[in-house]
Amino acid sequence: ETGVTQTPRHLVMGMTNKKSLKCEQHLGHNAMYWYKQSAKKPLELMFVYNFKEQTENNSVPSRFSPECPNSSHLFLHLHTLQPEDSALYLCASSQGGLYDTQYFGPGTRLTVL
Amino acid sequence: DQQVKQNSPSLSVQEGRISILNCDYTNSMFDYFLWYKKYPAEGPTFLISISSIKDKNEDGRFTVFLNKSAKHLSLHIVPSQPGDSAVYFCAGSFGNEKLTFGTGTRLTIIP
Repeated sequence: ETGVTQTPRHLVMGMTNKKSLKCEQHLGHNAMYWYKQSAKKPLELMFVYNFKEQTENNSVPSRFSPECPNSSHLFLHLHTLQPEDSALYLCASSQGGLYDTQYFGPGTRLTVL
Repeated sequence: DQQVKQNSPSLSVQEGRISILNCDYTNSMFDYFLWYKKYPAEGPTFLISISSIKDKNEDGRFTVFLNKSAKHLSLHIVPSQPGDSAVYFCAGSFGNEKLTFGTGTRLTIIP
């Protein structure tokens, strides 16, 4: 596997379910990110982890809970989501320095019923 | 308040001609700008970047121009090819990892 991978690629869940999104990077990077892309809205940064430490939480509701056990893996735990949370969730990674390039995974298309 | 704006949601260009994608920003603190390209069912891929100390950066068929006084940047693709059909996002940042993206412009290259 190369680059940034995300599983699952598609997820349908009810509002009372608990599920997790997984991201893995094979690039030796130190920073990982979660983004949300809703229809007709810009990509929104949700969380940033640098060397496994959360350095950014962009006012994300607590029903989204990130976890970064090591520099290669990032999870987004979901619980009691709302239909408006339906979106494409993208993971990215970078070296972690200033002006570095972020590399994105293919995303997880989430539908909340 | 949207700090990065791409006012054209879509653009169609004949193959072989020049494609010009535009982006405006409001945050004068931004000092680094990037363009990403996104195909359906894939994540965005980095295309080209420019630092605010420059007004032009070129990489093959892709050139990005930055006009700081107008808070405007543009991406030129010459010549346009069918494989360039994708959604293009511009993004700005002020040196840290926090990229602020525009809403994207869907470019269609007509054979």
